[in-house]
Amino acid sequence: DGGITQSPKYLFRKEGQNVTLSCEQNLNHDAMYWYRQDPGQGLRLIYYSQIVNDFQKGDIAEGYSVSREKKESFPLTVTSAQKNPTAFYLCASREERGSYNEQFFGPGTRLTVL
Amino acid sequence: KNEVEQSPQNLTAQEGEFITINCSYSVGISALHWLQQHPGGGIVSLFMLSSGKKKHGRLIATINIQEKHSSLHITASHPRDSAVYICAVQPHRDDKIIFGKGTRLHILP
Repeated sequence: DGGITQSPKYLFRKEGQNVTLSCEQNLNHDAMYWYRQDPGQGLRLIYYSQIVNDFQKGDIAEGYSVSREKKESFPLTVTSAQKNPTAFYLCASREERGSYNEQFFGPGTRLTVL
Repeated sequence: KNEVEQSPQNLTAQEGEFITINCSYSVGISALHWLQQHPGGGIVSLFMLSSGKKKHGRLIATINIQEKHSSLHITASHPRDSAVYICAVQPHRDDKIIFGKGTRLHILP
């Protein structure tokens, strides 16, 4: 079955440590996205990538970094510079070709920094 | 004003009740998504709509493109339906999805 995998579902880290969240898709989608959710707020865009080896900052990119070395993988690193890293992180991918439009969401990772 | 507004923000109902959650948006879109998020859990994609109506089990989603409005209905609601329901839209000619803040639904047994 095609889809998006995010692992792990729950992640705990000590303050000051960098942590990398995994996002893998086997949908052959060009575009991938990372979002963050805080209590009482909608999901906000951190970074996105429209093609391999290219990515752009979203609305709240500070304290995060990404890479897109392979089409199927878009890992997100939460660095120690991120002041409030505890949140729910959602990965998504998208393919749009003419009138065809396909959007998939991963299950998410809940990160808690202690 | 948010580009995607959901109502109500919170909803508590008795088991068996018919539930309606609304989503209004202000931009032209190519598609709208309904997502479900259980407490402490991940996101499940329920529907993607570009027109009309879709049904899956006890869930029904409708969209009116002209009125920029969508509704998610749950028939014969059950405590396991308790979750946050999120509306998200894909604007035309923009690959960034816009999410609503979600509707927290609590079904009492």
